[in-house]
Amino acid sequence: AQSVAQPEDQVNVAEGNPLTVKCTYSVSGNPYLFWYVQYPNRGLQFLLKYITGDNLVKGSYGFEAEFNKSQTSFHLKKPSALVSDSALYFCAVSHMNTGFQKLVFGTGTRLLVSP
Amino acid sequence: EAQVTQNPRYLITVTGKKLTVTCSQNMNHEYMSWYRQDPGLGLRQIYYSMNVEVTDKGDVPEGYKVSRKEKRNFPLILESPSPNQTSLYFCASSAGTGSRKAGGPDNEQFFGPGTRLTVL
Repeated sequence: AQSVAQPEDQVNVAEGNPLTVKCTYSVSGNPYLFWYVQYPNRGLQFLLKYITGDNLVKGSYGFEAEFNKSQTSFHLKKPSALVSDSALYFCAVSHMNTGFQKLVFGTGTRLLVSP
Repeated sequence: EAQVTQNPRYLITVTGKKLTVTCSQNMNHEYMSWYRQDPGLGLRQIYYSMNVEVTDKGDVPEGYKVSRKEKRNFPLILESPSPNQTSLYFCASSAGTGSRKAGGPDNEQFFGPGTRLTVL
């Protein structure tokens, strides 16, 4: 079965510093990978996705993620964090074995950016 | 404005009293899905629908029903709610794709604002 792991419950970073939110996945074959962000009392918002092609994916709000097939990872990164980036971040995966119909989410990582 | 709406946003009910949470999207999306969000567990898929009259179970379908009679609406039905269904529920929709036989949400999903349900 497909699964996603976000090993850190929380990531703390100072404003202006680079940030990384980790995600690893477990599927056989080629996955579709996504990052979503959830602000307080809001639904999830799409940040970026990897389907195929270039391993470095750029998304909204200056975020990017790198697909690493050998390490089965899809870490979210940003060169310079903002206080407004503080939110809950979810990695998700779908896979051809389920016809890409099921989307499995990780447990989420809370990002706290301090001024 | 393109959006997914859910009603009600907040609901407190008692065990066994049937309820329906409505979900509607105005983007003509084929794919719709329901998730529940619980602390430490992330989002788990309850049911999804590939198109009108096409629905299937997600990872946690027990105790829930859905229907898809119209493209825009995808209500979630709890026939006999129990306290373990206390959760935050999200509806989402996505444009389908014609590039594969089994089209799925390879496009971004648009999420509703959530429904916080408490079952006493």
